[in-house]
Amino acid sequence: QQKVQQSPESLTVSEGAMASLNCTFSDGTSNNFRWYRQHSAKGLEVLVSIFSDGEKEEGRFTAHLNRANLHVSLHIREPQPSDSAVYLCAVNSNNRIFFGDGTQLVVKP
Amino acid sequence: AQTIHQWPVAEIKAVGSPLSLGCTIKGKSSPNLYWYWQATGGTLQQLFYSITVGQVESVVQLNLSASRPKDDQFILSTEKLLLSHSGFYLCAWSPPGNTLYFGEGSRLIVV
Repeated sequence: QQKVQQSPESLTVSEGAMASLNCTFSDGTSNNFRWYRQHSAKGLEVLVSIFSDGEKEEGRFTAHLNRANLHVSLHIREPQPSDSAVYLCAVNSNNRIFFGDGTQLVVKP
Repeated sequence: AQTIHQWPVAEIKAVGSPLSLGCTIKGKSSPNLYWYWQATGGTLQQLFYSITVGQVESVVQLNLSASRPKDDQFILSTEKLLLSHSGFYLCAWSPPGNTLYFGEGSRLIVV
């Protein structure tokens, strides 16, 4: 079964500084990867989807995928206090979607 | 535009009592529908999914059941709640390609 692990567990950055989040997965045959954001026990919003190795940018959010290293990351450019939330990595494997435990991001003004 | 609505927003229920959580999707025909559960401080887990009316697949057994009585409706229920059912329940839909679009969730506290 796919195992998805995120690091760090929590991250505090200053407004405007780059925030980088990591996600590793166990099954390299997974076919797509997404990053979601969850504000205070509310519904999740999708930030960026990536299907092939390399980089995918959606506004201030950039995902990097390296299947060989079983790693996908999310970089948030110029984070703002409103970006404070839990960020979840989701890996689609055999039409099931597995989530990591999340990274709690706090952006200080 | 598609909208997804969950109800109730929150409930406090007694152990052993029944539960019904609802989810409706408007603006999308024949969506794939999902129920997810998140224990407090826990990982989001997929419970059920449905690709068509009347058809539901169980992913994780938690003494819960799900039904899809209409194309735009997905119901999560149980006849007897356990303490372990407490948590946050999220309904989601997806088009082909599997991007999930989530509802606002239903918080359940079982006492």
